Amino acid sequence: SQQGEEDPQALSIQEGENATMNCSYKTSINNLQWYRQNSGRGLVHLILIRSNEREKHSGRLRVTLDTSKKSSSLLITASRAADTASYFCATGIQGAQKLVFGQGTRLTINP
Amino acid sequence: GAVVSQHPSRVICKSGTSVKIECRSLDFQATTMFWYRQFPKQSLMLMATSNEGSKATYEQGVEKDKFLINHASLTLSTLTVTSAHPEDSSFYICSARTTSGLAGGRYEQYFGPGTRLTVT
Repeated sequence: SQQGEEDPQALSIQEGENATMNCSYKTSINNLQWYRQNSGRGLVHLILIRSNEREKHSGRLRVTLDTSKKSSSLLITASRAADTASYFCATGIQGAQKLVFGQGTRLTINP
Repeated sequence: GAVVSQHPSRVICKSGTSVKIECRSLDFQATTMFWYRQFPKQSLMLMATSNEGSKATYEQGVEKDKFLINHASLTLSTLTVTSAHPEDSSFYICSARTTSGLAGGRYEQYFGPGTRLTVT
C-alpha cells in the first residue's frame, strides 16, 4: 500500500514564484527521496535526504525532513516553466529494500 | 551516472498474448531490480522486487503467475505479462539498485524510462 501522502495533489503557480510540496509517511525510514516525472516519461531523481538529516539543498531545490512528524517538504525556488511536472516523494523503509511512493503533486508553472 | 534502459519503450499487443519487457543496467551491476506499474495520473505501485539468481518477491495483490519476473544476470531483469488483458494496459517502470556508494546514498535506485503497454 502507498505510504506517502502528498499535498497538494495539484499546484499551479506563476513563473518565478516558489512552489512547496509536502509529503507525509507512516513508518520508520532510512531515507526519503524526491523524484520528478514529466508526462509519460520516466523518473528523474532529484534529491535524497537521510533520516538523520534535517535539511538539504541542491540548486533551486530545498528539502526538509521532520522525522518526529514523519513529514518532508520540497521547495522549488524561482520556478520556471520547465519545472512543470509531477513530483513524487519516496521513502526507503527501514528493514526493507524497496521504495514506497507517495501519490504525487502535479505542478504547473504558468509563464 | 548510472543508466537503466528498458525495451521496448512502447508495445501494443492483442488480448491473450504475452509480452516481455527488458530492464538493463548499462554501466553498473544491480543485485536488485524493482518493477513498478503506473496507471494514468497515478503514482508508482511496486509490483515486485527481483534479486539476481533468486525468485522475485511480489507485493500483495500482484499475481506472480501473470507477471513473470526473471533476473538472470546482474544487468538484466525481464517482466513477462502473460495472457495480457486490456486492464493490464499501463506504464511499467523498472529500477535498479546499486550498492556502490554513489553520491547521495548507498542504496539509491535508478529508474528506467518506462514501457507503455497497450493491450487491445
